[in-house]
Amino acid sequence: GAGVSQSPRYKVAKRGQDVALRCDPISGHVSLFWYQQALGQGPEFLTYFQNEAQLDKSGLPSDRFFAERPEGSVSTLKIQRTQQEDSAVYLCASSSRQGIAYEQYFGPGTRLTVT
Amino acid sequence: KQEVTQIPAALSVPEGENLVLNCSFTDSAIYNLQWFRQDPGKGLTSLLLIQSSQREQTSGRLNASLDKSSGRSTLYIAASQPGDSATYLCAVFYMSGANNLFFGTGTRLTVIP
Repeated sequence: GAGVSQSPRYKVAKRGQDVALRCDPISGHVSLFWYQQALGQGPEFLTYFQNEAQLDKSGLPSDRFFAERPEGSVSTLKIQRTQQEDSAVYLCASSSRQGIAYEQYFGPGTRLTVT
Repeated sequence: KQEVTQIPAALSVPEGENLVLNCSFTDSAIYNLQWFRQDPGKGLTSLLLIQSSQREQTSGRLNASLDKSSGRSTLYIAASQPGDSATYLCAVFYMSGANNLFFGTGTRLTVIP
């Protein structure tokens, strides 16, 4: 079946622009996660949804970052007034079970470059 | 602080060699540990998931072990192939109340034909 998909795959933004990154999880998956991966580093947690509820946003680095999942399926990560330090790969993952400690399936990521 | 460490950061081996990648974590209270593979410009592919109650998992030429008491996991790759070249990431789900995987920085493996 189809895996997790993300779009766009690549995004170049000028400093100060707003961007929106989309994640389509595996159909029926309850849990959805966003991670940020800087060059040469492991992914770092941003936020977690269970269905449409955002249960944890402790990893969002600033109030310029906002995520939503209004109908409990597709999720969008929005970054306002982008800065150079926002350049990274943004990974989305989904998991089939309620609760958190189950196998996560990752999408290909969106590589954001802020110039 | 919950951390995950992977050693070595990079490894080059000739084709056919058996190899071991290491992962250490700071707290033995974990739900599970997951090994991933990441190819350049790609997302993460899950290789093996070891639950807290398990000691090891096997899939084909891959074997992952878990020793909670010492805070260590190893990924053993048998008879390495050039197609195994990738970055291997270890990730831990701690019981601390955090809602996420904690990742190491990865080991970049190159298998030389």
